[in-house]
Amino acid sequence: GEDVEQSLFLSVREGDSSVINCTYTDSSSTYLYWYKQEPGAGLQLLTYIFSNMDMKQDQRLTVLLNKKDKHLSLRIADTQTGDSAIYFCAASREGRRALTFGSGTRLQVQP
Amino acid sequence: DSGVTQTPKHLITATGQRVTLRCSPRSGDLSVYWYQQSLDQGLQFLIQYYNGEERAKGNILERFSAQQFPDLHSELNLSSLELGDSALYFCASSVVAPGALYNEQFFGPGTRLTVL
Repeated sequence: GEDVEQSLFLSVREGDSSVINCTYTDSSSTYLYWYKQEPGAGLQLLTYIFSNMDMKQDQRLTVLLNKKDKHLSLRIADTQTGDSAIYFCAASREGRRALTFGSGTRLQVQP
Repeated sequence: DSGVTQTPKHLITATGQRVTLRCSPRSGDLSVYWYQQSLDQGLQFLIQYYNGEERAKGNILERFSAQQFPDLHSELNLSSLELGDSALYFCASSVVAPGALYNEQFFGPGTRLTVL
């Protein structure tokens, strides 16, 4: 089955860029998503990318997809303390009914 | 606010007991998903319902069951609870039909279950 992996922790200084990485195993994955989970809250969809795209930019967020290496990254420009949260990547595949989530990367932003 | 509501927010109970978690999806969403988030297992898909029918099962234990009612709200029933069932249980809803290419799911705030 699908396996999605992420590093567990990332610490950056306020104002720097953050890059959160994710790898997945199923080359049939069609959509890849980034969710954010703040303490005590549910998951909030940040952005997504379709598998035929290499890059997607949305304000401070840039998603890069390397389909050959099955590698996905989320770059947050000008990281703020409010960006401190757990970030999950997830993958879906045509015909598959649920998302497969990575273990989440805890982003800590130092003031 | 995602529009998905879950009750209760917190639940503390003892081993061997049975609890029911409730979820109301966003207006218009026919799909409801249940996930379990624990420290050691991460975020695990449990089960999906679409318009009242079970459509997919993930890592759901036999002690757990769910249903979706005609008004589309869903309940997750957990019985013979064990210490290891302590976790955050999330409900998510989606407007897309099962198997659709794009599957944006909106998550509720979760129910934190503590089994003592």
